[in-house]
Amino acid sequence: GAVVSQHPSRVICKSGTSVKIECRSLDFQATTMFWYRQFPKQSLMLMATSNEGSKATYEQGVEKDKFLINHASLTLSTLTVTSAHPEDSSFYICSARGGSGTTDTQYFGPGTRLTVL
Amino acid sequence: AQSVTQLGSHVSVSEGALVLLRCNYSSSVPPYLFWYVQYPNQGLQLLLKYTSAATLVKGINGFEAEFKKSETSFHLTKPSAHMSDAAEYFCAVSPSGGSQGNLIFGKGTKLSVKP
Repeated sequence: GAVVSQHPSRVICKSGTSVKIECRSLDFQATTMFWYRQFPKQSLMLMATSNEGSKATYEQGVEKDKFLINHASLTLSTLTVTSAHPEDSSFYICSARGGSGTTDTQYFGPGTRLTVL
Repeated sequence: AQSVTQLGSHVSVSEGALVLLRCNYSSSVPPYLFWYVQYPNQGLQLLLKYTSAATLVKGINGFEAEFKKSETSFHLTKPSAHMSDAAEYFCAVSPSGGSQGNLIFGKGTKLSVKP
């Protein structure tokens, strides 16, 4: 099946710094990528949807200036958490979809554990 | 608006026993339905999906789910549990015909398998 990677898998940073997380589709072109966050023992919450070459669409309550998303190519999307605070500590998961139809499967990355001190 | 309810945040079964994880959905349009499995500190892996074809869907690792419109349910089953099935399971819904195909997840059910 299709493979999606994320880097880094784990990051610890100081409060106030910025952190960039990469999401790559390794063996297919991802027209759409999704970013989710997951708090401990909770479900995934969609943060934003990004289409290659377009601005990301953010879910209600997600600060677009804080969570910068770039989807510059069909195989790479990045999420930058700017001026991170301890409450941003979470498990961030991306997914990628190759086709434009809604039946196309989203393939999930392994996630990135962010800890803000 | 669409939503997913997973009954039971934690299910425990014995090895070899039937696995039944419940999922009910709410959708104003015909939905697409998915089951994902998540092992600790990993991303989600698709088990199976329903996209308006056959109502009984077979997935990987011996899992299957049946779409019942009258009950608005999409319960996940496996006849005989293995120790390796212990994980978190998420049911998700997506609107059919939508342009984005966003997934809305349930809160998850943690499956424990006792030897």
